[in-house]
Amino acid sequence: AQKITQTQPGMFVQEKEAVTLDCTYDTSDPSYGLFWYKQPSSGEMIFLIYQGSYDQQNATEGRYSLNFQKARKSANLVISASQLGDSAMYFCAMREGPSQAGTALIFGKGTTLSVSS
Amino acid sequence: GAVVSQHPSRVICKSGTSVKIECRSLDFQATTMFWYRQFPKQSLMLMATSNEGSKATYEQGVEKDKFLINHASLTLSTLTVTSAHPEDSSFYICSTQVVDNEQFFGPGTRLTVL
Repeated sequence: AQKITQTQPGMFVQEKEAVTLDCTYDTSDPSYGLFWYKQPSSGEMIFLIYQGSYDQQNATEGRYSLNFQKARKSANLVISASQLGDSAMYFCAMREGPSQAGTALIFGKGTTLSVSS
Repeated sequence: GAVVSQHPSRVICKSGTSVKIECRSLDFQATTMFWYRQFPKQSLMLMATSNEGSKATYEQGVEKDKFLINHASLTLSTLTVTSAHPEDSSFYICSTQVVDNEQFFGPGTRLTVL
C-alpha cells in the first residue's frame, strides 16, 4: 500500500483564487511528520510547510496552510490567493517516527499546479 | 536552515563511463544524507541512506555496485554511477537528515547518458 497518496495529477486555478491539493497518508506509527514541498521546473525542492502528528493546530505559513485531519489521515495543502509563480509540482511527504530517528521522507507522486491569469 | 550544494548541476556522458556526483552540506554536519532519484514528472524515490564513516544502506532494487556511495566526512557524500547507461539518465537529488522538522535538499544533478 502506498504511504502517501496524491490523487490529483494536475490542478488548474486562476490567479487570486484559492486551491486545495489533496494528500492522504498511511502509517501505524503514532509519531510522524507531514511535509509539503514545491518543485518548480528548475528542479529544486522548496520546503513549504510542516505538520507534526502531535500538533494540535493546523500549520500555516503565509499563503500556505495545512488542513490536518488526523482521523481521516489527510493533510491537504491550501494555497490562498494563487499567483502565477505558484505554478509548479507539489509533493506531499511523510517522515515516520520522531524527527531524531533520522529517517528519510517518503514522497507522494505529486500534483502539477497550473495558475493562469 | 542548512545549505546543501551539489556538483555538477548537469552532466552529459557517454554510455559506459562513470560519473561522480558530490553533495556538500555547507553549514551543517550531516551524519546522515539521503540520495533520491527522480524521473521526469514522477516522484522522488529514495535510493540509499549515506552514513558518515560507514557503509550506505540501499533501498530494495537499487544496485549497490552500480551506485557507489561514499560518505567520508560530515560535510561530503558522493554518488558514483558506474558504467552508466541511458536508463540511468535521471535527476539525482541529495538531502540532509531532518533538522528542526525540515529536510534540506541539494539543487539536484541532471544526468544524461548518451
